[in-house]
Amino acid sequence: AQSVAQPEDQVNVAEGNPLTVKCTYSVSGNPYLFWYVQYPNRGLQFLLKYITGDNLVKGSYGFEAEFNKSQTSFHLKKPSALVSDSALYFCAVRAARGYQKVTFGTGTKLQVIP
Amino acid sequence: SQTIHQWPATLVQPVGSPLSLECTVEGTSNPNLYWYRQAAGRGLQLLFYSVGIGQISSEVPQNLSASRPQDRQFILSSKKLLLSDSGFYLCAWSPLLNTEAFFGQGTRLTVV
Repeated sequence: AQSVAQPEDQVNVAEGNPLTVKCTYSVSGNPYLFWYVQYPNRGLQFLLKYITGDNLVKGSYGFEAEFNKSQTSFHLKKPSALVSDSALYFCAVRAARGYQKVTFGTGTKLQVIP
Repeated sequence: SQTIHQWPATLVQPVGSPLSLECTVEGTSNPNLYWYRQAAGRGLQLLFYSVGIGQISSEVPQNLSASRPQDRQFILSSKKLLLSDSGFYLCAWSPLLNTEAFFGQGTRLTVV
């Protein structure tokens, strides 16, 4: 069975500092990986995805994520955090082969401190 | 561009009453459609998905049902709500099955 782990329930970072939100996964075969952001009482917004190719994926709002196959990780990063980045972040995975459903992590709350 | 509409935004219903939540997508044809529930913690649970009109797949047995009467319309229903049905319900669509999804704004359902 596939799974996603977001080991940090909450991440605090000072405004202007780099941020990392961690994600590790388990899937049979190659993965498709996704990051989403959710603001309070709103739906999820798609940020970026890894399907194949370059391990460094760039997405919306200056976010990027690095796929590391050996460590089965897909950490979300941003060079300089903004207060407006404070939100709930979800990592998701599915197996590349066949029509597999997407499994979401439990989310990491990012708090950017002014 | 594609947009997804979900309504109502909030809903308070008594136990035993029926439920109907509606979701529509604009700007695309034959989307894959999904209903998720987000519990008070955070986790997202896939309830139903649909690859076409009248085609519904249920992920978990429960008090809810889904229907897709038109290509871009997805409805979540219940005949009799339970207290445990309270939660945040999210509709989503994707161009291909189980690729990146685009979510509606969600419906906060409180069963009292």
